This record gives sequence, C-alpha cells and structure tokens, in this order.
Amino acid sequence: GAVVSQHPSRVICKSGTSVKIECRSLDFQATTMFWYRQFPKQSLMLMATSNEGSKATYEQGVEKDKFLINHASLTLSTLTVTSAHPEDSSFYICSALWEAWDIQYFGAGTRLSVL
Amino acid sequence: AQKITQTQPGMFVQEKEAVTLDCTYDTSDPSYGLFWYKQPSSGEMIFLIYQGSYDQQNATEGRYSLNFQKARKSANLVISASQLGDSAMYFCAMRTNSGGSNYKLTFGKGTLLTVNP
Repeated sequence: GAVVSQHPSRVICKSGTSVKIECRSLDFQATTMFWYRQFPKQSLMLMATSNEGSKATYEQGVEKDKFLINHASLTLSTLTVTSAHPEDSSFYICSALWEAWDIQYFGAGTRLSVL
Repeated sequence: AQKITQTQPGMFVQEKEAVTLDCTYDTSDPSYGLFWYKQPSSGEMIFLIYQGSYDQQNATEGRYSLNFQKARKSANLVISASQLGDSAMYFCAMRTNSGGSNYKLTFGKGTLLTVNP
C-alpha cells in the first residue's frame, strides 16, 4: 500500500500557542488530502478536505480560523491549530487520496495535548 | 444521507479461527465504494480492503474477504485464520460521489476485535 507520513506523532504544548502538523504522501501525488479528528473510543470525524492549490473545504461546525489548512504541493498538507486550548486536545489524523485506486491512505496520527 | 452501521461494539475470536465483522450501509447513490480499515492501539489507520458497488465479485486480500450483499446493503469483513496481531478496532467506511462530495468517507462506529490465544 501507499505510504503517508504524519509528523509529529505526539505534541504537548501550552495553552495559547499554535501547533503545526504535517501530512506527506511519500510515494504518490495527492491532489486531495483529508484531516480528521478522533476522540477516545469514537470514530473518525472529518474536519476538512484539503485541495492542492486551492482553499480547504471545512465541515460544518469546524472553525476555519482555528484550524488552518495549507496544501501547497502535491505531497504536503499542513494543519495548524492556532491558539490551542485544552479542549483542542485530541488525536488528529490525515489521509491522502490515491485517485487511481480511489483509496484514502492514512498517516499514523498526531496526539495533541494542550496544557 | 449516507450512513454506516456497525452493530458489534466488540467481538472475540480464538486464534486460528475465522471471524465476521458486520457492516450495513445506507445510500441512494448508485455508485459507491466500501472500505475496511484496521486501527491498532497505536492509532494508525490501515487500509484492508475495498469493494466497488459495481464489482461483480467479492473482494479478497490475503486473509481478508468482503462479503458484499448489495440487495441487503451489507459489506461484512471476514478474517480467516485469526492471529493475535489482528486484535484492533475495525472500521467500515463508505464513499459516494454524489453532490460533489469529493471522495469523502463516512465511517461506522467501529468494532473492537480481540483475538484470544
């Protein structure tokens, strides 16, 4: 299967700081990437669809000014959690769409803890 | 609206036995895809198997097979010869192309599989 790298795997930050998470497709080009959030013992919740060269599409209820998404190249999308607060603590996971096979391949996730 | 239902919060299976994880779906879109992902305790989501709505045969990938019953709108995952490493959360997901959904996936709530030695 295809490889998607997500970095960092774990981050602890102070309240009010910003955190950037990177998602890279290592062996294929991805016009479309996705960002999800997962609460403990729950399913994945789609936050936004990241489109290379254009603005991200956010799901209803997701604050676009808080969760900034940039997809500047065909292999990299970034999610920046701005002015993080304890309620933003969660597991964030990205995926990249391999269009030829119509399959989303996922990164290993980032566990964010805001103190 | 698209919906995925996984009715088994948890399942237990003995090592080397087969196990079936249930998944039913609801969509009015004639074109859709069904996926199964495995999520170990480490958190990564591992793609297992895919079934397209127009595929005539059930998908198979090694020890994984998808029992696709279109009329019943079910897409159960069958794992043969279970191994201890199969212990994980399993998610069923559906992709539809309607309304410019841009390949978004709808996930079920998951089934936690425990393989006993």
